[in-house]
Parts: sequence; C-alpha cells; structure tokens
Amino acid sequence: GQQLNQSPQSMFIQEGEDVSMNCTSSSIFNTWLWYKQEPGEGPVLLIALYKAGELTSNGRLTAQFGITRKDSFLNISASIPSDVGIYFCAGQGGATNKLIFGTGTLLAVQP
Amino acid sequence: ETGVTQTPRHLVMGMTNKKSLKCEQHLGHNAMYWYKQSAKKPLELMFVYSLEERVENNSVPSRFSPECPNSSHLFLHLHTLQPEDSALYLCASSRVTGDYTFGSGTRLTVV
Repeated sequence: GQQLNQSPQSMFIQEGEDVSMNCTSSSIFNTWLWYKQEPGEGPVLLIALYKAGELTSNGRLTAQFGITRKDSFLNISASIPSDVGIYFCAGQGGATNKLIFGTGTLLAVQP
Repeated sequence: ETGVTQTPRHLVMGMTNKKSLKCEQHLGHNAMYWYKQSAKKPLELMFVYSLEERVENNSVPSRFSPECPNSSHLFLHLHTLQPEDSALYLCASSRVTGDYTFGSGTRLTVV
C-alpha cells in the first residue's frame, strides 16, 4: 500500500531557528497537505498544495509540492515557542481521494 | 456551532461495555471519516462515508461499527473492545474532493 516517510522524527531547537521537515512517498499524489497537532487536539490544516512545483506560504511557514509529485517539504522560519507540536504531512490521491498520513515530526522549541 | 465536533472528549470503558462515539459537522461537507491514532503510529484510516454511503472499511474488526444517518452526523459504536484498542479516535469531514477538517478527537481507554 501507499506509504509516506516523514523526517526527521523529532527536532529540538532554540527559539529563532529555522526548521525544515520533509515527506517522501513511493507513489504519486495529487495533493499534499501539512497539518499541525497540539496535545489533546485534532490535526489542524496549515498549508494545502495542489500542483507539482507549487510553493505556498502561510506566515512563517512555507511548503512545496515536489516536481515528481512524490515529495513535499515544510519550512518554518524564526521559530517561536507556540510552534511546538507534531507536524504531519498527508498525501491525497487515487480513486477514493483517501488521505494518507506521514508518521509525524515532533517539534520542541526552547525559549 | 461550526467545525467538526466530537463527543465525548474522553472515554474509559470496560471490555464488556457498549459505547458510542459521536461526530458532528456543520461545514456542508459530504464525506466523513474515522481515523485511529495510536502512539508512534501514523494515523490509520478506519472508515470512509461519502454521501452517507460507506465506501471504505480498512479491515477494521467488527467490534467497531460505524453509522452515518445523515451527512452531518457520524457515529462509531464500540462493543467488547480490547486494551489495544485504546487510542485517540479522530473524526474528519471534507467535500468529496476537498481538504479534511478534523475534530478534537475522543481519547479512549479500554480497561
């Protein structure tokens, strides 16, 4: 079945640092989504990408849909303590439009 | 109320109990989903309902029984669960080809 490899698994950084995480897939997706999940809550959509090569920003967050349609990355610039959480990539495609999730990147930001 | 609402937020049940999880969305979406989130595992898709019809059942044990009486409501009926079924159960909704919106989840503990 389809699998998404997300890395790194966790990151422990200082406030103000930039962060980069990525997802790769064994199959092609039509849409890449990036979600953030905080403790006790469901995932919240950060950025949606619909076209290969697309680069989209949301404040300090920037994400790109890879040209091969098998990968995506998320960058966070000038991290702040409230960026703490688990970040998930998700790929969407196929006849059922099923959303497949990566394993998540745990981000911890030290003030 | 807007968004996707899940109740209860927390549930502790014995292995012989019967309980139900409820999900409600007021976004005008026509597809709803149940996901299971266990520690150190990717989100696992359990069931998909599109236009109130179940279109996917990912080999989920029969002790989990979904119900979608209309496009705004989704239930997950639980019966004779096992301790390994303890997890965060997340509901999501979308338009048939749209981004998913998640609820806050129900934290289930089976004792």
